[in-house]
Amino acid sequence: ETGVTQSPTHLIKTRGQQVTLRCSSQSGHNTVSWYQQALGQGPQFIFQYYREEENGRGNFPPRFSGLQFPNYSSELNVNALELDDSALYLCASSFTGVNGYTFGSGTRLTVV
Amino acid sequence: DQQVKQNSPSLSVQEGRISILNCDYTNSMFDYFLWYKKYPAEGPTFLISISSIKDKNEDGRFTVFLNKSAKHLSLHIVPSQPGDSAVYFCAASISSGSARQLTFGSGTQLTVLP
Repeated sequence: ETGVTQSPTHLIKTRGQQVTLRCSSQSGHNTVSWYQQALGQGPQFIFQYYREEENGRGNFPPRFSGLQFPNYSSELNVNALELDDSALYLCASSFTGVNGYTFGSGTRLTVV
Repeated sequence: DQQVKQNSPSLSVQEGRISILNCDYTNSMFDYFLWYKKYPAEGPTFLISISSIKDKNEDGRFTVFLNKSAKHLSLHIVPSQPGDSAVYFCAASISSGSARQLTFGSGTQLTVLP
């Protein structure tokens, strides 16, 4: 049984650019959530996908968008990058709900 | 507005002693609470959870206590081991939500000294 894998592990982008982060859910998981963790803070909920539909969103602007694919892998897209978008982006998948979340190791995004 | 707060950024404990990590919350709608442990360069890993209908849950060396009237929970680790050194996050959830999002605290860095 493979866990949650995220790619890339590190990324440097320029302000104003667009970025796509990828996540492969744990086998059998049908729900995926994305979190942003800024330095010195706890993870903050961005959104959640269930069966390819967004079914919940945190306090993030529309330039943060996502996709979930039939194989339950997922993407997080961020347009018009800002310096404050620099953070660790975590993907978490689950089948049974919050108690069963498995987190990936994250993608460290630096915006310069 | 921070709905889940961990007021101690760091805690140092001697090996073999008890570690007590604290967490406060403000949203009375939260009805499920979790603790996660995070090592550098790894994602958070689930440690232990508690439903709001309970006031204590125990799993081996780890015990979580919930005081709903005070909106406070704590994680006790007994005995503490050097391998427990990590950042510990408290998280809360609302079970009636369509998206079971987690609201995290800012974390406490636990260092267990040999």
